Amino acid sequence: GAGVSQSPSNKVTEKGKDVELRCDPISGHTALYWYRQSLGQGLEFLIYFQGNSAPDKSGLPSDRFSAERTGGSVSTLTIQRTQQEDSAVYLCASRMDRSSGNTIYFGEGSWLTVV
Amino acid sequence: AQSVTQLDSHVSVSEGTPVLLRCNYSSSYSPSLFWYVQHPNKGLQLLLKYTSAATLVKGINGFEAEFKKSETSFHLTKPSAHMSDAAEYFCVVIPYGGSQGNLIFGKGTKLSVKP
Repeated sequence: GAGVSQSPSNKVTEKGKDVELRCDPISGHTALYWYRQSLGQGLEFLIYFQGNSAPDKSGLPSDRFSAERTGGSVSTLTIQRTQQEDSAVYLCASRMDRSSGNTIYFGEGSWLTVV
Repeated sequence: AQSVTQLDSHVSVSEGTPVLLRCNYSSSYSPSLFWYVQHPNKGLQLLLKYTSAATLVKGINGFEAEFKKSETSFHLTKPSAHMSDAAEYFCVVIPYGGSQGNLIFGKGTKLSVKP
């Protein structure tokens, strides 16, 4: 695709429900990242994929959070039993590969509100 | 350890005056450096990047940044601020070599532009 696409753009869910956030990276990009941005805060790293594997999951805040990537393309971030503190913008980004000079392209984010 | 420091969390300027947003990094080798801008309720957009070519890098919307290895700095400047520049700005370092899954983000600088 032309850019990184994320869905849903907005999600309001009840506390305790599970949510799935989807990221469609730019075609051909092997590296994919998930970040979380809480209101007025900087970016918090969640997880990084190279192809379908996730060499760095160190940022996932708890075992309620998981992510997968299939076919080296689409990625899904799943939050189980959502809590109010999960309310944030979840940003996905992709890069051509791990070469240091490659630009990182961001999606518009999925805005999650847990009520 | 590699790191990036944005020295000011908030900068306020008057329209038509110069903008300076400061970024210092710590990296064992020459990194790639990026500046991103985030307008309210939007994703991150690339302003400019340095990848070991010219040390003075020109970006979009009249912004530029100079890589100074001796000072380990990559400050963002613009000669004359416009109201539409009001946004949050992030400095990003991609270390050379090693694990590049975890891009290193600064905490962001919020730029306010007064009429």
